[in-house]
Amino acid sequence: GEDVEQSLFLSVREGDSSVINCTYTDSSSTYLYWYKQEPGAGLQLLTYIFSNMDMKQDQRLTVLLNKKDKHLSLRIADTQTGDSAIYFCAEIFSGGYNKLIFGAGTRLAVHP
Amino acid sequence: EAGVAQSPRYKIIEKRQSVAFWCNPISGHATLYWYQQILGQGPKLLIQFQNNGVVDDSQLPKDRFSAERLKGVDSTLKIQPAKLEDSAVYLCASSLEIGRATEAFFGQGTRLTVV
Repeated sequence: GEDVEQSLFLSVREGDSSVINCTYTDSSSTYLYWYKQEPGAGLQLLTYIFSNMDMKQDQRLTVLLNKKDKHLSLRIADTQTGDSAIYFCAEIFSGGYNKLIFGAGTRLAVHP
Repeated sequence: EAGVAQSPRYKIIEKRQSVAFWCNPISGHATLYWYQQILGQGPKLLIQFQNNGVVDDSQLPKDRFSAERLKGVDSTLKIQPAKLEDSAVYLCASSLEIGRATEAFFGQGTRLTVV
């Protein structure tokens, strides 16, 4: 079935690295995404990774994909207070029709 | 490029009343989604349109929720009658095409409170 799981909360000190983890169920997912949601705002795409890759780097963001374990992670280097938000992992679930399925979100709190 | 527009931003209704939300996707985007996001949870897909046809509505409570996409562009989502558990943010999103590395752009959402 469709299920994307994430830990609910992460607290880090400003300047440290943050690692947000996600597990997904559809082994045939073609793309996996990380979205960011700030209070009162819609979701904003941060980055994505194609399923034939195992790593993607984009400035302070590094995405790691372990297809065997169906595990996805997002690393934010030099975390800033502006990174405080909820981060959602999402997969393309291809059961019948391609659907974009989200996890419950990880709330990242950055403290000085 | 204009983003996904949703209205209203906020709505408060009593249970058993009706409510409708409107979404104008980004011009040229074939795929339109409605998601329900209950406080503290991730967005749950209610319905997905490809142009003006429904490709997935498996999670839509069809006894009370309905949606349509007019001429493959704007969309409305209706709840009739509303229940307390329908209190949530309703997010509309659109994309050129799903299944490829195309971004789904989200509107700011409509926050519904049912009292």
